[in-house]
Amino acid sequence: DQQVKQNSPSLSVQEGRISILNCDYTNSMFDYFLWYKKYPAEGPTFLISISSIKDKNEDGRFTVFLNKSAKHLSLHIVPSQPGDSAVYFCAASPTSGTYKYIFGTGTRLKVLA
Amino acid sequence: GAGVSQTPSNKVTEKGKYVELRCDPISGHTALYWYRQSLGQGPEFLIYFQGTGAADDSGLPNDRFFAVRPEGSVSTLKIQRTERGDSAVYLCASSPIRKVPGSGANVLTFGAGSRLTVL
Repeated sequence: DQQVKQNSPSLSVQEGRISILNCDYTNSMFDYFLWYKKYPAEGPTFLISISSIKDKNEDGRFTVFLNKSAKHLSLHIVPSQPGDSAVYFCAASPTSGTYKYIFGTGTRLKVLA
Repeated sequence: GAGVSQTPSNKVTEKGKYVELRCDPISGHTALYWYRQSLGQGPEFLIYFQGTGAADDSGLPNDRFFAVRPEGSVSTLKIQRTERGDSAVYLCASSPIRKVPGSGANVLTFGAGSRLTVL
């Protein structure tokens, strides 16, 4: 039973355009959501987070939107750059603890120059 | 150190053998985590240490898996009688003192991982 789902395994976007990565979850008790980026042969690196009491969080080119009623979050990258090409994971934290993150399966983003 | 260091980066072993994977967390981080990432999947929680003690080992798949952190810094994940299904990237992460739930997201800093292949 996959509690955090990233239904698009891959996405290709032209440089300068917007990249939208989606994530759905099933547990309405999740408190925090994080996005991690992973390059080959490296560990995941933290990108941006959002609390369940907010619907938007922005950090430079990266914005995360949360729709609690739809149990859906998305990561927007604008403008996309070739260096953004990586695998992106969304992760959710149950209210019972803030360490036991449940990760989605990831979306591989390719930004074309 | 500047980041989370994991050794070895690659380990190939035969079915039935014993394996140890080491993690050196960021200096001063009291919390340490082990995750496992199988091919095509996201990281999956294994165990969490707060200081020297395992605060939550509910993610360990069975009793062949064990982890220690005797001095509250370096941790070793130990796998006995390895099986082909244990093949994965084992990720270690650390974070500062665990935040009180509700006070903010707890950001984990991951190492590059140890890729284990069991033949």
